[in-house]
Amino acid sequence: EVQLVESGGGLVQPGRSMKLSCAASGFTFSNYGMAWVRQAPTKGLEWVATISYDGSSTYYRDSVKGRFTISRDNAKSTLYLQMNSLRSEDTATYYCTRDLTYDWGQGVMVTVSS
Amino acid sequence: DIQMTQSPASLSASPEEIVTITCQASQDIGNWLAWYQQKPGKSPQLLIYSATSLADGIPSRFSGSRSGTQYSLKISRLQVEDTGIYYCLQRYSNPLTFGSGTKLEIK
Repeated sequence: EVQLVESGGGLVQPGRSMKLSCAASGFTFSNYGMAWVRQAPTKGLEWVATISYDGSSTYYRDSVKGRFTISRDNAKSTLYLQMNSLRSEDTATYYCTRDLTYDWGQGVMVTVSS
Repeated sequence: DIQMTQSPASLSASPEEIVTITCQASQDIGNWLAWYQQKPGKSPQLLIYSATSLADGIPSRFSGSRSGTQYSLKISRLQVEDTGIYYCLQRYSNPLTFGSGTKLEIK
């Protein structure tokens, strides 16, 4: 059974940093591209970033470019999202997903507030 | 950026009815279109990929179609469990963009 389990969320002050993790199991992690998608409270889905299966290519939405870094450790089957210079508009539930297809994590809430 | 204009924003229908949700892409995206269902407090679930292909385990009541740059999700024989918010997603180019969502209520 495929499992994606996010962790690392919580309350953080504006301008500070936070790192999300997504532990994957039940499939060969190193064979798949992965992505982060977020959803602000009562809002729609928003793609954040994608990383290729081997980590050699990464893509970001403009609003997080230069502040967020997506990365992966294939030996640990774990996906990461390093978030720096956080803003109130980054407040959302963050989902990790295997290539935006069948498999999504349960989501982790990030609240940016003073 | 490619814009995905989704309509309607909400709809209410009775069991056994047929409903259609549409997404209009601002440019050609080929068949790089997926549909998701999201229930309250849950993660999105893939329904349709490549515009018309039914995802594994999804009832055949769900179907996707394409006419040029307009994409449609049709749900036949509505069931109570079809309540939720439906989103389209274009995967043709970065930044990937979702439609704004359609909230479906079953009367």
